[in-house]
Amino acid sequence: QKEVEQDPGPLSVPEGAIVSLNCTYSNSAFQYFMWYRQYSRKGPELLMYTYSSGNKEDGRFTAQVDKSSKYISLFIRDSQPSDSATYLCAMTYTNAGKSTFGDGTTLTVKP
Amino acid sequence: TAGITQAPTSQILAAGRSMTLRCTQDMRHNAMYWYRQDLGLGLRLIHYSNTAGTTGKGEVPDGYSVSRANTDDFPLTLASAVPSQTSVYFCASSENQGVGNEQFFGPGTRLTVL
Repeated sequence: QKEVEQDPGPLSVPEGAIVSLNCTYSNSAFQYFMWYRQYSRKGPELLMYTYSSGNKEDGRFTAQVDKSSKYISLFIRDSQPSDSATYLCAMTYTNAGKSTFGDGTTLTVKP
Repeated sequence: TAGITQAPTSQILAAGRSMTLRCTQDMRHNAMYWYRQDLGLGLRLIHYSNTAGTTGKGEVPDGYSVSRANTDDFPLTLASAVPSQTSVYFCASSENQGVGNEQFFGPGTRLTVL
């Protein structure tokens, strides 16, 4: 079993929809949670990170962590065609630095 | 600012041949990483370096070697390529290793081993 499981997708939604992207993990040692966005034929770029359970908001994006359930989510409000990309969750042990990535969920937002 | 550059952009390589994938960063970051990305397997860490002169093994190091002679460069070498090494390779760097250090990724090298 993989340490990090990500909803495989792909997801296709109309413009303006609310999108929910999800990952579960098995190792309770993970303390630091990240979401990366990867456009086609590009490298991943960090979108958001959080260190604790709860919500963190940045514009249209909200990252949610539930450590008790070992479950993290990324919500995108008012989705735009420019949000079309693959989204990767990643997790790190405290002070270890090396991240474990989910397989990614490909999102398409249709105009 | 260039950030991280990788070369070549893509390559087709005959099995058994050797190849070095180049990675250079201009951010003076201490830590650098090599990942491979395969469909259904996500990003997997091959090797990493916490600082110039040191390297470490990641999740899938077999068949690959790295060196870190200076801060800026972190080449990845395939000594004798095999078809299972067909993948997209990403180099990344972060200011330091550890929690809170964002990793910046290069554009990737698409390698096909025939």
